[in-house]
Amino acid sequence: NAGVTQTPKFQVLKTGQSMTLQCAQDMNHEYMSWYRQDPGMGLRLIHYSVGAGITDQGEVPNGYNVSRSTTEDFPLRLLSAAPSQTSVYFCASSYGGNQETQYFGPGTRLLVL
Amino acid sequence: GDSVTQMEGPVTLSEEAFLTINCTYTATGYPSLFWYVQYPGEGLQLLLKATKADDKGSNKGFEATYRKETTSFHLEKGSVQVSDSAVYFCALALTGGFKTIFGAGTRLFVKA
Repeated sequence: NAGVTQTPKFQVLKTGQSMTLQCAQDMNHEYMSWYRQDPGMGLRLIHYSVGAGITDQGEVPNGYNVSRSTTEDFPLRLLSAAPSQTSVYFCASSYGGNQETQYFGPGTRLLVL
Repeated sequence: GDSVTQMEGPVTLSEEAFLTINCTYTATGYPSLFWYVQYPGEGLQLLLKATKADDKGSNKGFEATYRKETTSFHLEKGSVQVSDSAVYFCALALTGGFKTIFGAGTRLFVKA
């Protein structure tokens, strides 16, 4: 089992560019989430999914899109990057809802210039 | 709204010292409570959890007790090691919901 994998590990973008952060899990988990981690602010939920074809907004969804076409994959799209999106992004999955243990990927460090 | 507050860091201790990291929460229902740990350069991983009042979670020498009367879930370890140096996050999840709320994290440095 690879667990939760994320690519790329590090990315530099210019303001206005778009990109997709990839996330995949091989544990057959229904629940997947994207968080951003900023200094002094802990993790904040961007979007989440409770199964293939079902997504919903979290606490800080503006500027991000998601889709869930398969159980395994949950990509996060930045449509027009802004410096405020400089952060570390974590993908997580869990077997059940939020009461269950979440398994996190290693993170993607994004710098927007 | 629902929230988690944990003590600010960094916390610096010598090896074999006693550790306490305070965590208090505000929740409208009856949440499950978690401690996650993040080692340098890695994602978060579950350290321990408790799902109801008076439950004690424990793992790797760490313990935390779910105190409903004080809305607290303080993390303790009797004797820390250098390898415990990491960032520790307290979190809550409300029953029937889909979101987990994290505290800001507390960085722990343990000196040899």
